[in-house]
Amino acid sequence: DTGVSQDPRHKITKRGQNVTFRCDPISEHNRLYWYRQTLGQGPEFLTYFQNEAQLEKSRLLSDRFSAERPKGSFSTLEIQRTEQGDSAMYLCASNPGAGEKLFFGSGTQLSVL
Amino acid sequence: AQRVTQPEKLLSVFKGAPVELKCNYSYSGSPELFWYVQYSRQRLQLLLRHISRESIKGFTADLNKGETSFHLKKPFAQEEDSAMYYCALSVDTGGFKTIFGAGTRLFVKA
Repeated sequence: DTGVSQDPRHKITKRGQNVTFRCDPISEHNRLYWYRQTLGQGPEFLTYFQNEAQLEKSRLLSDRFSAERPKGSFSTLEIQRTEQGDSAMYLCASNPGAGEKLFFGSGTQLSVL
Repeated sequence: AQRVTQPEKLLSVFKGAPVELKCNYSYSGSPELFWYVQYSRQRLQLLLRHISRESIKGFTADLNKGETSFHLKKPFAQEEDSAMYYCALSVDTGGFKTIFGAGTRLFVKA
């Protein structure tokens, strides 16, 4: 598969639990982005990587959120002590360079009960 | 601050009618603008970008720096155009990231 893949597609968890999502970008893309999308809103930028370096993290992002891209390939997004307000679609995207079009994954739908 | 505004949440037109989805942006730098589309049960994908100056599926968009707008237009809407449309702006904050508007749902009626 040459597209961006995300795992899992759906995650249901109880408030206070930790969750981790994985994203595999298109292999030749050195940039990887995480977005969050809630109903009726566009994708909201969370963070992005160039290779293994995390270059920017949204100021709106709680300290409970952390992302890694250890070898410059796949990335993980972890949310600690989940809250009901974290319920959203978490989207991953990649592109080959600055300002280029984004290729999106199908997303991980998180529901916090 | 950088911002993308799509004033219409829903736009409903009849098949064959012209359609215009509005997008305004706020950015002090040189704008790089995109339209992304999400069809039912599909992932978000690029429709067009202003730098390409191309027409995709009959859609065009012109960057108007004076009005800070990048409206998406199509002269004759088709039912298969029904989808969510997002205007997006690539901004340089030391690297480049893309920010999105809230989206407009286009519904083309038969």
